[in-house]
Amino acid sequence: DAKTTQPNSMESNEEEPVHLPCNHSTISGTDYIHWYRQLPSQGPEYVIHGLTSNVNNRMASLAIAEDRKSSTLILHRATLRDAAVYYCILRGVTGGGNKLTFGTGTQLKVEL
Amino acid sequence: EAGVAQSPRYKIIEKRQSVAFWCNPISGHATLYWYQQILGQGPKLLIQFQNNGVVDDSQLPKDRFSAERLKGVDSTLKIQPAKLEDSAVYLCASSSLGALRGGSEQYFGPGTRLTVT
Repeated sequence: DAKTTQPNSMESNEEEPVHLPCNHSTISGTDYIHWYRQLPSQGPEYVIHGLTSNVNNRMASLAIAEDRKSSTLILHRATLRDAAVYYCILRGVTGGGNKLTFGTGTQLKVEL
Repeated sequence: EAGVAQSPRYKIIEKRQSVAFWCNPISGHATLYWYQQILGQGPKLLIQFQNNGVVDDSQLPKDRFSAERLKGVDSTLKIQPAKLEDSAVYLCASSSLGALRGGSEQYFGPGTRLTVT
């Protein structure tokens, strides 16, 4: 699986937007970009995914660079409940498919 | 819709003892995964099942870990004998789509926290 690079930690104030970056310069043409988050003492939770175009859902937006070598997860209004580790993962279409290879992610801290 | 269920939530054992974890995936999900998450790290895939067949067990320490998914529904993961370095959270996940779908999402259970003393 291609590798991703994320900052170890980021901080935000409540009700402000948060932009979480991810670099994936070795991404292949068939790799999907997935984001999961893990709240304290819970299993990871799916956030959003995309291939080439920007994506929006009720939780977040995913902005993908035109060359696909980087992407940004956008939380439009951070709340205290959004404090978690956010993982950016590339998933390819392979014979063994659906495998998630987690890195260490970005620890997001949200303050009042 | 009920989520992925795991039990027990916590387990403390001594080294060289054996332990088993149980997972009940979301109804209808054909693919089931077991992950190991050591403190401070991201989850690492141990084994992936498609129905009751193994798709990927390349990172499963087969000398001490075993897993089965009889009838393609529930699954158990066993460690025998346990070592101190097996202390971790063991996560089970399931997904509705099988291989060749890089866009499908996985649903995770709450995990079992294992402490080996």
